[in-house]
Amino acid sequence: DQQVKQNSPSLSVQEGRISILNCDYTNSMFDYFLWYKKYPAEGPTFLISISSIKDKNEDGRFTVFLNKSAKHLSLHIVPSQPGDSAVYFCAASRYSGGGADGLTFGKGTHLIIQP
Amino acid sequence: DVKVTQSSRYLVKRTGEKVFLECVQDMDHENMFWYRQDPGLGLRLIYFSYDVKMKEKGDIPEGYSVSREKKERFSLILESASTNQTSMYLCASRDRVVYGYTFGSGTRLTVV
Repeated sequence: DQQVKQNSPSLSVQEGRISILNCDYTNSMFDYFLWYKKYPAEGPTFLISISSIKDKNEDGRFTVFLNKSAKHLSLHIVPSQPGDSAVYFCAASRYSGGGADGLTFGKGTHLIIQP
Repeated sequence: DVKVTQSSRYLVKRTGEKVFLECVQDMDHENMFWYRQDPGLGLRLIYFSYDVKMKEKGDIPEGYSVSREKKERFSLILESASTNQTSMYLCASRDRVVYGYTFGSGTRLTVV
């Protein structure tokens, strides 16, 4: 049973436009959500996160929106740049504090920025 | 910056071999994790550890074991490697906040 779903395996966006990556979750116990970016042959790197008590978090070109009632979050990248081409993973955690529980990841969305 | 180092980038092993994947972190993190990444399946948690000599099963522990004898080192063991264990293996460590995960560069294991 997949608890974190990224239904778009790939997304192609023109440089300078907005990229919107979507993620849905089923486990209502999740209380912290993260986005990771991964280049081939490298480990994932942390991008941005959001706690379940918020509905928006912004960091430069990256904004994450959380709709708890819909169990849906999205990552907006604006403007999109060629270096943003990577696989993006949505991840969720049941503990926002010091719990050791591992993250649950989605399958990833391959974002391709077209020049 | 936290560094998580995985000893091998690429590894080729034969079916039935015992395989050790090593991971070392340098920031005194208590929590360490092993994931595998497969195309179309994302990252799946194999095992994690929240302290020396402590271990917990993740979502897909079958065919794997782990060892944590020292705080900085977390080893993943494939008792008898099989071809379906061909994958990218990622180690991570984490400090006390949930967004504090740091991943290693990964080990691409091929079992032939």
